[in-house]
Amino acid sequence: DTGVSQDPRHKITKRGQNVTFRCDPISEHNRLYWYRQTLGQGPEFLTYFQNEAQLEKSRLLSDRFSAERPKGSFSTLEIQRTEQGDSAMYLCASSWGGVDATNEKLFFGSGTQLSVL
Amino acid sequence: GEDVEQSLFLSVREGDSSVINCTYTDSSSTYLYWYKQEPGAGLQLLTYIFSNMDMKQDQRLTVLLNKKDKHLSLRIADTQTGDSAIYFCAERGYYKLSFGAGTTVTVRA
Repeated sequence: DTGVSQDPRHKITKRGQNVTFRCDPISEHNRLYWYRQTLGQGPEFLTYFQNEAQLEKSRLLSDRFSAERPKGSFSTLEIQRTEQGDSAMYLCASSWGGVDATNEKLFFGSGTQLSVL
Repeated sequence: GEDVEQSLFLSVREGDSSVINCTYTDSSSTYLYWYKQEPGAGLQLLTYIFSNMDMKQDQRLTVLLNKKDKHLSLRIADTQTGDSAIYFCAERGYYKLSFGAGTTVTVRA
């Protein structure tokens, strides 16, 4: 078990450019989450997948953001036309969610730090 | 998360106990969690407690839950320099965890 992997660790881009991040969850986990964390704040929920289905999206996720998990394994998060306000740490987490998933333990990756200049 | 509140900073002497406090708002939360984040790293799950429990002990960690007041605390016994980090409490909602802003714990010699 290698844990949750995220790539890249750091991304610097110019305003208006598109960026894509990748997350590889723990292999047997069926749920995958994206969170965003800004300095001095806790992680804020963006979206989550159960297998390949995207089940919930936060109001924080504008039309410029899109996430996919095409085969129920890795996931990508794309931000189009980046803005300076998009600068943050983007965290991916995975878990095993069963029928009764109330004690669902999320395991986080190290995150992708995005800086938009 | 606006529904979970924590004090922002805690300074403690090495060897003393640390107590980090948290309040939450969702009375239907069934599980509450404590995560630790070190600089440049993701979040590491430390411990959790089920809402029908008052206390849970796990080695140096003790979690206390007052469900009536929606108050959660994490006590770290014999605090070490390696315990310096940001600690987040989180409540389990219907499909997601909601986090507080984190408490930065600084351990001084």
